Amino acid sequence: GAGVSQSPRYKVAKRGQDVALRCDPISGHVSLFWYQQALGQGPEFLTYFQNEAQLDKSGLPSDRFFAERPEGSVSTLKIQRTQQEDSAVYLCASSGLADYEQYFGPGTRLTVT
Amino acid sequence: AQSVTQPDIHITVSEGASLELRCNYSYGATPYLFWYVQSPGQGLQLLLKYFSGDTLVQGIKGFEAEFKRSQSSFNLRKPSVHWSDAAEYFCAVGARSGGYQKVTFGIGTKLQVIP
Repeated sequence: GAGVSQSPRYKVAKRGQDVALRCDPISGHVSLFWYQQALGQGPEFLTYFQNEAQLDKSGLPSDRFFAERPEGSVSTLKIQRTQQEDSAVYLCASSGLADYEQYFGPGTRLTVT
Repeated sequence: AQSVTQPDIHITVSEGASLELRCNYSYGATPYLFWYVQSPGQGLQLLLKYFSGDTLVQGIKGFEAEFKRSQSSFNLRKPSVHWSDAAEYFCAVGARSGGYQKVTFGIGTKLQVIP
């Protein structure tokens, strides 16, 4: 079956622009996670959804970052007024509710110029 | 809060040689431990995981890892490395919180394989 997909795969934004990154999780997966991976670093947790409910947003670095999952499937991570420090790969992962394993998408590489 | 240390940023091995990647974790309870591999431009692929039971776990692609509680370690091993194993490897620790798994990753170890 299809895995986690993300779009776009690459995004270049000028500083100050808004961007929206999309994640399509594995069908039927209740849990959805967003991570930020800066160059040379491991992924860092941003936020967690269980169905449409955002249960943990403790990792979002600022109020410029906003995530939603309105129908409990596709999720969008939005970054407003992008800054150079937002340049990173943004990874999405999904899992079943009782599943310990998270399945990762290929990521979106965001470059802010 | 949990944390992971991967002390080796880069490792170079010859093809056919054995491999050990080190990982130490910090967590107050019994941890959930993972090793992931990331090839350039790809997402993370799970190699193996430990939750409980046998402390030596087998994974995909011929990898294994051993959980040592006394040393807070979860080192990854492979007896004979192939050129296709060149990638970045991440150790991670998970904590069950509010019904979901919150995972903390290490900084990663980049593996180079020379012929």
